[in-house]
Amino acid sequence: AQTVTQSQPEMSVQEAETVTLSCTYDTSENNYYLFWYKQPPSRQMILVIRQEAYKQQNATENRFSVNFQKAAKSFSLKISDSQLGDTAMYFCAFAIIQGAQKLVFGQGTRLTINP
Amino acid sequence: DAEITQSPRHKITETGRQVTLACHQTWNHNNMFWYRQDLGHGLRLIHYSYGVQDTNKGEVSDGYSVSRSNTEDLPLTLESAASSQTSVYFCASSGRIQETQYFGPGTRLLVL
Repeated sequence: AQTVTQSQPEMSVQEAETVTLSCTYDTSENNYYLFWYKQPPSRQMILVIRQEAYKQQNATENRFSVNFQKAAKSFSLKISDSQLGDTAMYFCAFAIIQGAQKLVFGQGTRLTINP
Repeated sequence: DAEITQSPRHKITETGRQVTLACHQTWNHNNMFWYRQDLGHGLRLIHYSYGVQDTNKGEVSDGYSVSRSNTEDLPLTLESAASSQTSVYFCASSGRIQETQYFGPGTRLLVL
């Protein structure tokens, strides 16, 4: 069975700073996807970024980037130039590639961006 | 624009009652999922469907059922609501080729 662990329940940084959220996972599978989802106070789950395990290059989306270390089973999210609108719960998630992708989520990290 | 909707957004019910939460998507996605979100657990998979007439149990399926009679809808039924089923429920869908799951806005359920 796959597990996802987010070891930082809460984090807080000042606006414009860079912050890194940690995620580790455990699996025996070789082909899978990793995701970061954002959940603002509205509760809507919003995809932030996605990484395919077979790709060596780290995914980037504007101010968001990941550090994917497959051997270490680590998948951290870096937010650059943080903004007040980045305040949210962030969930790391894992899904194997074959068939319908059942997401396995971590417990979440509550990120607060202070003005 | 394609979307995924859930109804109701908020529901209060009593222990023992049957409750059905609706999920409707206009993405024409084959795959649909139901998750529950509780403090300290993130989101956990309840049931999922790969297509019409297909349903499968997830990690926390006890006390829940689903049916898939068309592509667009996957209603979640609580056969006899229990206080332990107080939670926020999310529906999600994904296409056969595009694996990213898109989530509905969630339903907050309170079982008294």
